[in-house]
Amino acid sequence: EVQLVESGGGLVQPGGSLRLSCAASGFTFSTYWMNWVRQAPGKGLEWVANIKQDGSEKYYVDSVKGRFTISRDNAKNSLYLQMNSLRAEDTAVYYCVKGYGSSWSHWGQGTLVTVSS
Amino acid sequence: QSVLTQPPSMSAAPGQKVTISCSGSSSNIGNNYVSWYQQLPESAPKLLIYENNKRPSGIPDRFSGSKSGTSATLGITGLQTGDEADYYCGIWDHSLSAGVFGGGTKVTVL
Repeated sequence: EVQLVESGGGLVQPGGSLRLSCAASGFTFSTYWMNWVRQAPGKGLEWVANIKQDGSEKYYVDSVKGRFTISRDNAKNSLYLQMNSLRAEDTAVYYCVKGYGSSWSHWGQGTLVTVSS
Repeated sequence: QSVLTQPPSMSAAPGQKVTISCSGSSSNIGNNYVSWYQQLPESAPKLLIYENNKRPSGIPDRFSGSKSGTSATLGITGLQTGDEADYYCGIWDHSLSAGVFGGGTKVTVL
């Protein structure tokens, strides 16, 4: 059974940093693209970033380019999202998602990031 | 404001059918596969349809997807109270190298 467990969310001040982690199990992590998708409170879904199996390709939504960095450690079956220069509009539940293209097949339960002073 | 347009809400009685539209353009839906996601209250989204009309294992055939030109459609037949949820369309826009979701449609079972 595929499991994706996010951690690292919390309350951070504007301009601060946070690192999210996602522990994956139940599938061969190193053979799949991985994604982060977020959902602001009461709002819809927003794709944030993804990373190729070997980490050689990474893509980001425009609003986080230059501030967020996606990475992975295939030896640890883990996905990460380093978030810097956080803004109030980054407040959201962040989901770790397995899949390539728009076939986002498995989702974690999410971790809440709140950016507020 | 998403480039993929969905109706904000729809409703129907139990046993009836709902059809949710996802409208885009030739540069997004017209040139990419569409997927659909169901988000039950207080839950993570779940993949319902991928590559326009394919169902992952475990998804009942009451859910169907189609695409024509610059629009896609999710159909739900035999509506059940457990189908009350938010539904999102999504694409991988190869020209932007970015994922895009529609704004979501809240389905209410009357």
